[in-house]
Amino acid sequence: GAVVSQHPSWVICKSGTSVKIECRSLDFQATTMFWYRQFPKQSLMLMATSNEGSKATYEQGVEKDKFLINHASLTLSTLTVTSAHPEDSSFYICSADKTGTHGYTFGSGTRLTVV
Amino acid sequence: KQEVTQIPAALSVPEGENLVLNCSFTDSAIYNLQWFRQDPGKGLTSLLLIQSSQREQTSGRLNASLDKSSGRSTLYIAASQPGDSATYLCAPLEGGKLIFGQGTELSVKP
Repeated sequence: GAVVSQHPSWVICKSGTSVKIECRSLDFQATTMFWYRQFPKQSLMLMATSNEGSKATYEQGVEKDKFLINHASLTLSTLTVTSAHPEDSSFYICSADKTGTHGYTFGSGTRLTVV
Repeated sequence: KQEVTQIPAALSVPEGENLVLNCSFTDSAIYNLQWFRQDPGKGLTSLLLIQSSQREQTSGRLNASLDKSSGRSTLYIAASQPGDSATYLCAPLEGGKLIFGQGTELSVKP
């Protein structure tokens, strides 16, 4: 199978601090990973596409300096929410494409609460 | 711009019923389409993936169909169980990106 691990599952941080979320593909290599945000009772909105060894591609309206993405290896992508504010509170989910299959596996998500 | 609509938004059925969830998309130039299940506060679990050249896929009590030309997909759940209660999301893949609908929130009552 294809397993994606996301950590932490939940985090509470103070306004103005930064939070890092990790997304790991456990049993496959992923040249591409994706980061989504989901507000309550809403669908998933793609934030950015993370490419191993190169810069991430951000969707329109997503601040790249606020949501820093690093994809340093074929099994790990990280999303850092910098200078977090209460409006950044949301459910963040990553996914990975098992290279060549175009079948996407999702992590279990991270609930971020900024107080 | 691809837009995905899922109908109904919510559905409540008694245990044992067969049911159909609908998904429509505006741009038929898709690579494939996936159906996912999301439990409250959790990530997504992939249920079925249909390639653009396929008409349907089956897994256990689930059957998904795809009519690319008309921009429609359906997810059929046979003999529903309380454990099927979740939100079901369809997502066509276009340009390397999954585009999600709002989902159908299913409740199966014992």
